[in-house]
Amino acid sequence: NAGVTQTPKFQVLKTGQSMTLQCAQDMNHNSMYWYRQDPGMGLRLIYYSASEGTTDKGEVPNGYNVSRLNKREFSLRLESAAPSQTSVYFCASEGYSNQPQHFGDGTRLSIL
Amino acid sequence: DAKTTQPPSMDCAEGRAANLPCNHSTISGNEYVYWYRQIHSQGPQYIIHGLKNNETNEMASLIITEDRKSSTLILPHATLRDTAVYYCIVRGGSGTYKYIFGTGTRLKVLA
Repeated sequence: NAGVTQTPKFQVLKTGQSMTLQCAQDMNHNSMYWYRQDPGMGLRLIYYSASEGTTDKGEVPNGYNVSRLNKREFSLRLESAAPSQTSVYFCASEGYSNQPQHFGDGTRLSIL
Repeated sequence: DAKTTQPPSMDCAEGRAANLPCNHSTISGNEYVYWYRQIHSQGPQYIIHGLKNNETNEMASLIITEDRKSSTLILPHATLRDTAVYYCIVRGGSGTYKYIFGTGTRLKVLA
């Protein structure tokens, strides 16, 4: 049982490059989330998708776009990477309201 | 801003109970309390959650005060592998999807 799978695990980009982070869950969950975590801080919500076909902005959406490709997959795209986007990115999914979110192992992204 | 307040760090002797407090004085009636932990830079691991009753599972116990303004996570027999950052999160209500993470409590279990 894989749970929430994120790819890639590590990536180094140059400023201005674009990239898509992939996330897939196998728990038939309705809601999916993208967070970022900067050193010494808690996670901050970038975007979320309450159900297939819907997406909404979180606390820190600037510089990112998302796609809820189907119920299983939720991708995060950086169109023009900036050094301020160097962070660890976590994807999470959730079945029903008030049930706990389940997190992936993260993507460690460095932008030079 | 986080809806919860936690001490930044705590130590606990191996084999002893670890009691991690959390204040959530502005919690509303339909909001749940969730506890997660993060070991190194791994993804947050769900521990337990509750609304108003005390809860117990194979990992921990959650004690919520009667007025629901604070709670305590109890790890009954802490091991070195329980060294982690523990996050207390309040969330609930229809249409309220996001977690707001504070900076958590860094628990160090000492041999």
